[in-house]
Amino acid sequence: EAGVAQSPRYKIIEKRQSVAFWCNPISGHATLYWYQQILGQGPKLLIQFQNNGVVDDSQLPKDRFSAERLKGVDSTLKIQPAKLEDSAVYLCASSLEGPGEQYFGPGTRLTVT
Amino acid sequence: GDSVTQMEGPVTLSEEAFLTINCTYTATGYPSLFWYVQYPGEGLQLLLKATKADDKGSNKGFEATYRKETTSFHLEKGSVQVSDSAVYFCALRAQSGGSNYKLTFGKGTLLTVNP
Repeated sequence: EAGVAQSPRYKIIEKRQSVAFWCNPISGHATLYWYQQILGQGPKLLIQFQNNGVVDDSQLPKDRFSAERLKGVDSTLKIQPAKLEDSAVYLCASSLEGPGEQYFGPGTRLTVT
Repeated sequence: GDSVTQMEGPVTLSEEAFLTINCTYTATGYPSLFWYVQYPGEGLQLLLKATKADDKGSNKGFEATYRKETTSFHLEKGSVQVSDSAVYFCALRAQSGGSNYKLTFGKGTLLTVNP
């Protein structure tokens, strides 16, 4: 069974530029999560989707971050404009249904210079 | 709000040593508790879980018991191997009647096992 796919794996941009990350969850998984993991800290939820609807985006900095999950399958997370403090690993996870086990992708490591 | 505190690392052990990584939590009600592991270059993987008080989660020789009275979920292994070297994260999922299933993580503990 294929796992959660993410791309790119690494990205380096300058501050004020924009960037987008892509996630393809495990087939059939209805719930999709984006987490931000800053170096030395645990992952922090940015947004949770149930199919293509948003369940929780309370910790998403909406002035610069946006996310969508059109058609309830893959998802994109965008940052525009990026700040230095956005340097982190962005993790995507999916679960078959809400309270089920969350399966994590390998993450995208973003460096903002 | 919900929070997880786990012991500071890094932890360095010799092969076959006993491992304990402490984890305590703050949450209302009865959260579910998890240990995730992140091997070098790989994504987070679920190691074990417990969903109610006094439950013991176990996997690959690792164990953790959900202690409601001490709000703890300490990870233990009787004899570590070099291949256990990784970052370990304690996490909770709040008891919820809705559809919010986010995980709240601790900061992680880096374990290095030397031969």
